[in-house]
Amino acid sequence: DAKTTQPTSMDCAEGRAANLPCNHSTISGNEYVYWYRQIHSQGPQYIIHGLKNNETNEMASLIITEDRKSSTLILPHATLRDTAVYYCIVRAPYGQNFVFGPGTRLSVLP
Amino acid sequence: DSGVTQTPKHLITATGQRVTLRCSPRSGDLSVYWYQQSLDQGLQFLIHYYNGEERAKGNILERFSAQQFPDLHSELNLSSLELGDSALYFCASSVAAGQLQKNEQFFGPGTRLTVL
Repeated sequence: DAKTTQPTSMDCAEGRAANLPCNHSTISGNEYVYWYRQIHSQGPQYIIHGLKNNETNEMASLIITEDRKSSTLILPHATLRDTAVYYCIVRAPYGQNFVFGPGTRLSVLP
Repeated sequence: DSGVTQTPKHLITATGQRVTLRCSPRSGDLSVYWYQQSLDQGLQFLIHYYNGEERAKGNILERFSAQQFPDLHSELNLSSLELGDSALYFCASSVAAGQLQKNEQFFGPGTRLTVL
């Protein structure tokens, strides 16, 4: 599996956009980038995934650089309930499972 | 609510005992994955079942075993429990196995196991 590197922690003001970066410089051409988050000790929650094009859904936007070596998850209007650990994962071809790193602890501040 | 259910929510037991954790996947999902999350290890993949068959093993101890039944629910059996087995155990489900690599996994709320 390609490794990912994320900042350990980030703060964001409530109502502002939260931009969470992820480096995955060894990503292969057919590997997808996934984002999950885990609020306190709840089960990880799927956010979004993409291959090479930018993606948007009701939760977030995913921007993948043209060389696919990095990506950014954007929460357009962060709320206090978005405080969580965010995981960026690159899934190997025909991978069976997700390999979770330590993630980024996002704190949304009032 | 992901649609994945896990029981029990909490389990407290003693060292040397055996417990069974249960997972019901989302309707229509054929794959079930088990993960362990302890304070010092983060989320670790244990095992994957697809339509009743074991597909992949991760960092699963020999004292642990799992199975997926014809109705697609899965059970994780933990035996000869040790203090270090205290953790959150999550199951996740997805529609298919690894061939459809873009498939996301949906996680249940977890079972918190405490071994005293």
